[in-house]
Amino acid sequence: SAVISQKPSRDICQRGTSLTIQCQVDSQVTMMFWYRQQPGQSLTLIATANQGSEATYESGFVIDKFPISRPNLTFSTLTVSNMSPEDSSIYLCSVGTAGNTIYFGEGSWLTVV
Amino acid sequence: GQQVMQIPQYQHVQEGEDFTTYCNSSTTLSNIQWYKQRPGGHPVFLIQLVKSGEVKKQKRLTFQFGEAKKNSSLHITATQTTDVGTYFCAFHGGATNKLIFGTGTLLAVQP
Repeated sequence: SAVISQKPSRDICQRGTSLTIQCQVDSQVTMMFWYRQQPGQSLTLIATANQGSEATYESGFVIDKFPISRPNLTFSTLTVSNMSPEDSSIYLCSVGTAGNTIYFGEGSWLTVV
Repeated sequence: GQQVMQIPQYQHVQEGEDFTTYCNSSTTLSNIQWYKQRPGGHPVFLIQLVKSGEVKKQKRLTFQFGEAKKNSSLHITATQTTDVGTYFCAFHGGATNKLIFGTGTLLAVQP
């Protein structure tokens, strides 16, 4: 399985600010995804990060709020823009495999105050 | 959209007792996956089931896919404190065939 590193691992942010989360994979992967996990909840897919093109967003998530970059096959960023306390969540980078399984990074725990 | 319910939402057992979580879908699933998330950790892939009626074992864990491919279960025999965490089922669905996670079952094990 791939080794997935996320930064920051944890942050406390002021409302109205933006934060960019970085995801680095130790090998080239075709599929990268960003998930959100609100406190005590399940995981919700935000978007699929596409290399060289715009990300594919799921219903309820928009590019203005969650801009995503994927400049190459090993790296992606997710920005949480104009944060409010409702954005306090774990944000998880993940990669897909040929067998349809998903491997997750350790997550970025954001608290918005 | 497609949803998968897991029951129970929470289970508290004494160490050594068995534990089962169930995943139920209203539609037929092509496959089902199970993940474990330790407290403060990230989800970790456990297994994937594809065939109708399939049963797979990993040490004390037994995974089953229903005959109609609409439900699945995870059974842990003789729980240990290391089994603590939230267990999620997940499946591919929706227009984009994305991985959709169930609601999860939080397992607490008292030593």
